[in-house]
Amino acid sequence: GNSVTQMEGPVTLSEEAFLTINCTYTATGYPSLFWYVQYPGEGLQLLLKATKADDKGSNKGFEATYRKETTSFHLEKGSVQVSDSAVYFCALVTGGGNKLTFGTGTQLKVEL
Amino acid sequence: NAGVTQTPKFQVLKTGQSMTLQCAQDMNHEYMSWYRQDPGMGLRLIHYSVGAGITDQGEVPNGYNVSRSTTEDFPLRLLSAAPSQTSVYFCASSYTWTVMNTEAFFGQGTRLTVV
Repeated sequence: GNSVTQMEGPVTLSEEAFLTINCTYTATGYPSLFWYVQYPGEGLQLLLKATKADDKGSNKGFEATYRKETTSFHLEKGSVQVSDSAVYFCALVTGGGNKLTFGTGTQLKVEL
Repeated sequence: NAGVTQTPKFQVLKTGQSMTLQCAQDMNHEYMSWYRQDPGMGLRLIHYSVGAGITDQGEVPNGYNVSRSTTEDFPLRLLSAAPSQTSVYFCASSYTWTVMNTEAFFGQGTRLTVV
């Protein structure tokens, strides 16, 4: 079956620091990969996605590259802001699938 | 632009009580689903629907019922609440039944406590 493994949090960074949140996956078939973000008190919203190997998804300064050889989709941002404090979920879907498989989420706290 | 609306936002139930979590979307999306979010476990799919009149089970369906009589609404029913159903529940919708290339939109969640 499908599974997603994320680094455990919380991750605490100072403003303007570099961010990496690791995500690796196991999938039957050829997945599409996603990062969703959950701000405090809100539902999840799509941050970025990649649908084939070597694709790079990007949005709001965040990037992630679909690495088939290492089955990874690590999230990076060059300079985080306090407003980036949230929980980040890596997710995948395979085949003609309608089921998103989520990782456990990584909480990010950015301090001044 | 309402998107996906869930009610209530918070609920406390006694063991054995029943209740319905409401979910409505105004985007004419075919696909709707319910997830539960538990600490250390990510989000797990409870039930989903690919269109009005069509529902199916997800990963953790026991203790929950759903129906889809209209495109807009997808209520989740707890038949006899148990403490193990204490969780945060999210409703999601997307334009097509496959989320490979379409975005899933989530509601704000319902925090349910069963005592």
